[in-house]
Amino acid sequence: AQSVTQPDIHITVSEGASLELRCNYSYGATPYLFWYVQSPGQGLQLLLKYFSGDTLVQGIKGFEAEFKRSQSSFNLRKPSVHWSDAAEYFCAVGDQYGNKLVFGAGTILRVKS
Amino acid sequence: DTAVSQTPKYLVTQMGNDKSIKCEQNLGHDTMYWYKQDSKKFLKIMFSYNNKELIINETVPNRFSPKSPDKAHLNLHINSLELGDSAVYFCASRPGKQETQYFGPGTRLLVL
Repeated sequence: AQSVTQPDIHITVSEGASLELRCNYSYGATPYLFWYVQSPGQGLQLLLKYFSGDTLVQGIKGFEAEFKRSQSSFNLRKPSVHWSDAAEYFCAVGDQYGNKLVFGAGTILRVKS
Repeated sequence: DTAVSQTPKYLVTQMGNDKSIKCEQNLGHDTMYWYKQDSKKFLKIMFSYNNKELIINETVPNRFSPKSPDKAHLNLHINSLELGDSAVYFCASRPGKQETQYFGPGTRLLVL
């Protein structure tokens, strides 16, 4: 069975600063990895996904993530954070078909001006 | 042109009642899901249907019964509601294997 750990419950960054959100996964086969964002009172929006191929994936809103098999990680990055990025971010791992998603506990991002 | 829609958006009810949440997707996807997000924001899969057939059934009380009348709809019926059922319930759909799941806006259920 797969599992996901997001070590940081809260992160606060200044507007314009760079951002990295950590995600570690556990899965015996090739993982399917996702980052979703949830704004307060809203649903989940997909930021990016990794299925195979290039380990650096680009997503929407200027986000990117890098899959590192040796570290079982899929960290999310953004070079310059905007106030509108304040939200909760969820990392998820899918089974070999990308079917059953297991989510991490989420990281709340606060952006200070 | 909503992709995955859920009704109602908010549901406040008393313990012991029976309620249903509806989900519809207009994307032509084959697979649909129900997830529960608890008060600590932890998201966990409950059920998955593929072409009206149940394919994932996690450890969920049998008071919860999913129903898929057709490929575009997956409803969730909850009997004898308990305080612990208070959560946000998300529906999702996916076109096929190795594809992304698209989530609905959620239904916020509060059991008093």
